Amino acid sequence: GESVGLHLPTLSVQEGDNSIINCAYSNSASDYFIWYKQESGKGPQFIIDIRSNMDKRQGQRVTVLLNKTVKHLSLQIAATQPGDSAVYFCAEHNQGGKLIFGQGTELSVKP
Amino acid sequence: DAGVTQSPTHLIKTRGQHVTLRCSPISGHKSVSWYQQVLGQGPQFIFQYYEKEERGRGNFPDRFSARQFPNYSSELNVNALLLGDSALYLCASSWGTGGGGYTFGSGTRLTVV
Repeated sequence: GESVGLHLPTLSVQEGDNSIINCAYSNSASDYFIWYKQESGKGPQFIIDIRSNMDKRQGQRVTVLLNKTVKHLSLQIAATQPGDSAVYFCAEHNQGGKLIFGQGTELSVKP
Repeated sequence: DAGVTQSPTHLIKTRGQHVTLRCSPISGHKSVSWYQQVLGQGPQFIFQYYEKEERGRGNFPDRFSARQFPNYSSELNVNALLLGDSALYLCASSWGTGGGGYTFGSGTRLTVV
């Protein structure tokens, strides 16, 4: 069935270090993938997305890598800051117009 | 510009009651999607509406229904509430049904007692 899963439920990093959050997906027909950040009491906030015909995309301090061979997605955050502390979700967009979310990874940044 | 607005922000209902949640999309967005997020999990797709028509439905019972109005705002209705319906209900708006650009509201926190 359809599923998007995350390898690690929690990740703790030191301020200034780089963070890597991983995600596995199962539907190879999905046309793009999105990373969201969700802070307590708020809705998911868009971070970056990537089309299925790409393998890398960079934003401000963030990079998303897509490996279709092993159906793996990762989010890299450079110079992680305390404000980056949140739950991060990967989501898979299928042709039916719905987003399939994983369980989430909680990122904790230690000052 | 205002983002996606949802009302109410919090709600407490009793089992068996009915609830209506409301969503106003970003100006110019014609599509609204609803998601249920149980504590500790990722959001689960419930419905997508575009131009007042249902374009997608997730694996939820018929107790869940929705509609979209001519001004593109939307309502999610849940009948015969169960304890398991307690969750954060999120609304996302977008220009269309594909191509991304989904912007989420802050959600309605529903507690069923």
